Order: sequence, then C-alpha cells, then structure tokens
Amino acid sequence: EAGVAQSPRYKIIEKRQSVAFWCNPISGHATLYWYQQILGQGPKLLIQFQNNGVVDDSQLPKDRFSAERLKGVDSTLKIQPAKLEDSAVYLCASSRGQLKETQYFGPGTRLLVL
Amino acid sequence: DQQVKQNSPSLSVQEGRISILNCDYTNSMFDYFLWYKKYPAEGPTFLISISSIKDKNEDGRFTVFLNKSAKHLSLHIVPSQPGDSAVYFCAASVTSGTYKYIFGTGTRLKVLA
Repeated sequence: EAGVAQSPRYKIIEKRQSVAFWCNPISGHATLYWYQQILGQGPKLLIQFQNNGVVDDSQLPKDRFSAERLKGVDSTLKIQPAKLEDSAVYLCASSRGQLKETQYFGPGTRLLVL
Repeated sequence: DQQVKQNSPSLSVQEGRISILNCDYTNSMFDYFLWYKKYPAEGPTFLISISSIKDKNEDGRFTVFLNKSAKHLSLHIVPSQPGDSAVYFCAASVTSGTYKYIFGTGTRLKVLA
C-alpha cells in the first residue's frame, strides 16, 4: 500500500510570495489533515477534511492560508502572502475515518521564508 | 496553552537498557492517547496507543502506561536498540467532535551502542 505523498519536499520563497503544497492521501482514506510543525514544536493541526468537506479549520490563519480537497482525494494547501513565521514543515496525514483511526503521515514539505 | 507537554527535550540511554519517555496533559476530556516516532526528513509514524479505559497497553518492546489521576502517560522501550533513536511525540485527543490530535513538543531519544 502506497503511503501519503507530498510535494514539493523543499521550498524556499521570499516573504510576501505565495506557495502551494500538494498531498495525495492513502487510497480509500476519507479523512485528510494538514499540520504545521515549527522547529522545536509538535505538529499543529491546521485543517481537517472528511471527504471534501471541512471538519475543523479553527487553527488555520484564514487571512493567508487556504486549503481545498475538491474531489475528496488530493488536497492543496496555499499560503498567500507568506510571512517569515510561516517557515515550518507542513505535514499531510490521512486516515480511514475519524474515531480512533490511526493517522498516517507523509514526509512533509519543508518551507523556508526569507 | 500547551495542553500536552513533554518536559524532557532529549534522553540518552545505553543499548539494551530501558528508555522511559514521559508526557503530561492538562485537559481531563482527553480519552485517547498515542505515541508517534519521527526520523529525520520523514513524517511521524504511529507507534502505540491507549484508551482512557485502560492503564497499560503493550506491543512487543513498547509499553504505554496511563495514569489518569496524575494526567500522565509514559512510553517504555525495553530493550532499547540503536534503531530506536528518533524523536518521540505523544498526542492526545477527545473521541468525540472532530477527534483531532494535540501533540506534545517531542523528546529526542538517543540509544548509544
């Protein structure tokens, strides 16, 4: 079974530029998560999708971050415009469902904002 | 407000000995707890979980203990192996609503050969 795929693996941009990350979850997984992991901290949930609907986006900075999962499979996370404090690893995870289902993580995208 | 805390940023253990990683939480509504392991340049991988109705769960060399009254959980690795060297995150969730994980800050374990 293929794991969660993410691209790109690394991205360097200047502040005020925009950037987009892509995630392909494990086949058949209905729930998809985007996390932000700042250096020295644990992953923090940004947004959770159940199929193509948003379940939780309470910690997503909506003035600059957006995410979509149009067909209930792949997802993209966009930052526009980026700030220095957005430098982090962006992790995508997926699970079969929600309740006590294990979340499987992709390798992450490391973003550096200069 | 850090609801899940791992107060030891790092831990070094000799190969073959026991590794004990600790995690404290503040939210009494948490009823499901997990440990994830993370190698450099990889995403976290699930290790073991425990429901609040239990106080111990074992899987091979890995055992998680839960002390609800103290709001404390620990991960024991016996015996420790060099391949266990990684960052370990504990996570907690409430199994209702959106069921999102709240992660701790991680403990870097180094197993010395």
